[in-house]
Amino acid sequence: GENVEQHPSTLSVQEGDSAVIKCTYSDSASNYFPWYKQELGKRPQLIIDIRSNVGEKKDQRIAVTLNKTAKHFSLHITETQPEDSAVYFCAASRKAGGGNKLTFGTGTQLKVEL
Amino acid sequence: DSGVTQTPKHLITATGQRVTLRCSPRSGDLSVYWYQQSLDQGLQFLIQYYNGEERAKGNILERFSAQQFPDLHSELNLSSLELGDSALYFCASSVLSGGRADTQYFGPGTRLTVL
Repeated sequence: GENVEQHPSTLSVQEGDSAVIKCTYSDSASNYFPWYKQELGKRPQLIIDIRSNVGEKKDQRIAVTLNKTAKHFSLHITETQPEDSAVYFCAASRKAGGGNKLTFGTGTQLKVEL
Repeated sequence: DSGVTQTPKHLITATGQRVTLRCSPRSGDLSVYWYQQSLDQGLQFLIQYYNGEERAKGNILERFSAQQFPDLHSELNLSSLELGDSALYFCASSVLSGGRADTQYFGPGTRLTVL
């Protein structure tokens, strides 16, 4: 089955700096890659996603890049703010037999310091 | 607010007991997913239903079962509970359209504590 590795496990940046979180996946058939932000005790909240027919996608301060050949994708947050502090999860998915499960990475605790 | 609702928010019970977690998907979504989040295992997929039928299964224990009802709400039943079953249980829903993997929207979760 699919395996998703995520690095780093913790990331501390100064307010205004950029943050980059990287994930690799094992199943070359995976074609959908969402990123979720989770605050303590809250639900995972979708912040951006990318499909395998696209190499990059941006939404304001957030961008995701995908390298299908290397089977890795990254989340880029620019001009970080204290409210960006949370745990970020990458995930990979594909349609298989009518199923559509998400396989998650282990999460990155992002701390934005003033 | 994602539009996915889950009840109860918190559940405290004893080992050996049985509990039922409930989820209502977003309006228009036909597919429901259950995930378990624990400190040592992260976010793990348990099971998926689409319009009442089981569609995918993860590493769900035999003590756990789920179903999706005609009104599309879903219930996750956990029996013979063990201390290690303490976790956050999330439900997610999606439209499940065509041949593409769908965006999944998560509910607020049920925090289960087994004492």
